[in-house]
Amino acid sequence: TQLLEQSPQFLSIQEGENLTVYCNSSSVFSSLQWYRQEPGEGPVLLVTVVTGGEVKKLKRLTFQFGDARKDSSLHITAAQPGDTGLYLCAVDSNYQLIWGAGTKLIIKP
Amino acid sequence: EPEVTQTPSHQVTQMGQEVILRCVPISNHLYFYWYRQILGQKVEFLVSFYNNEISEKSEIFDDQFSVERPDGSNFTLKIRSTKLEDSAMYFCASLNRMGNYGYTFGSGTRLTVV
Repeated sequence: TQLLEQSPQFLSIQEGENLTVYCNSSSVFSSLQWYRQEPGEGPVLLVTVVTGGEVKKLKRLTFQFGDARKDSSLHITAAQPGDTGLYLCAVDSNYQLIWGAGTKLIIKP
Repeated sequence: EPEVTQTPSHQVTQMGQEVILRCVPISNHLYFYWYRQILGQKVEFLVSFYNNEISEKSEIFDDQFSVERPDGSNFTLKIRSTKLEDSAMYFCASLNRMGNYGYTFGSGTRLTVV
């Protein structure tokens, strides 16, 4: 069973700061997805990374897939209170998503 | 933006009762899923459905669970005899494998078994 480890589990920072969260595994993946989930809501897809070393940008969010396709990072520049949420990484395996436990991010105004 | 719609948003039921959770996936999607999330825990896979049959199911998806796509539009999850530990958020998701590998999730049904 693939195991996705996300770190940190919890992060609380001030508005305007930068942050990076990580998703690591010992397994190699063909692709990896990042989702954001707010309380009481379903996960919302942010990005899918496919190629080793790939970098994708979504406004202030920068996603990177490791060269060996075993890990990924999400960097947020100048975080805003609206970025608050649970950030989940997931990989597609045998018709199902395998999830990390998530990083709970709180941005304080 | 196409959406996955789930109803009801919240269901309270007595232990032992049957519940049906309903989902309307995105119309041109081919793969359908149910996931659940117990409060404070990871999202867990329940079942995937393609071409009118179950593709994969997890250990959670025992004989008490069943899925149907009765009319080409709705996708339902039935729990025959609910247990207290079935209390969770249940998310439906759909996927179109034609180029976009991201899943679209519904906003969930919160099931409370009392």
